[in-house]
Amino acid sequence: GQQLNQSPQSMFIQEGEDVSMNCTSSSIFNTWLWYKQDPGEGPVLLIALYKAGELTSNGRLTAQFGITRKDSFLNISASIPSDVGIYFCAGQLRVKWIGNKLVFGAGTILRVKS
Amino acid sequence: GAGVSQSPSNKVTEKGKDVELRCDPISGHTALYWYRQSLGQGLEFLIYFQGNSAPDKSGLPSDRFSAERTGGSVSTLTIQRTQQEDSAVYLCASSRRWSQGGNEQFFGPGTRLTVL
Repeated sequence: GQQLNQSPQSMFIQEGEDVSMNCTSSSIFNTWLWYKQDPGEGPVLLIALYKAGELTSNGRLTAQFGITRKDSFLNISASIPSDVGIYFCAGQLRVKWIGNKLVFGAGTILRVKS
Repeated sequence: GAGVSQSPSNKVTEKGKDVELRCDPISGHTALYWYRQSLGQGLEFLIYFQGNSAPDKSGLPSDRFSAERTGGSVSTLTIQRTQQEDSAVYLCASSRRWSQGGNEQFFGPGTRLTVL
């Protein structure tokens, strides 16, 4: 099946540092999504990108939809302890007659030292 | 509540037994998805329901897995003759209809299944 390569697998950073993670795919998607998952919870949507080249911000989070439609990155600026969690990228091929299923990366575990 | 709910939150079963996992989607959401998350892994798509259309079952790993959605709302994922490799967190998500901009999937907290 389709695979997304997400990196890094884990990060252990100092509070206040910026964080960057990315996803690449061998397939084209027309939507890229970034989710965060806390322990014992389902993933929560952080940012959705719908257009190649799009750069979108949500507070301290910034994400970009790669121009080739095969990659995306997520940046977190000035990290704080509550940023701890697992971040997942997900690609979606939104086609009316196929549906909206998501293909997920394996996740990036973020740990923050205060 | 306004979110997706799932039950039970935890299920421990013996190998060979059948289990049923339940999902209550957000009211008004016509699309419902099941995913499986193994330890340390991303989410793996299992099955997708959209309104009255035939479900997309392309992600179901074997014929021991089945799901139904009654009345276009609540869904049940059934695993027959469970195996130890079925141990995972099973997550349900729902979204609005495609024509209503149903891009964003909202996830429930999941059911943690442990097969002994």
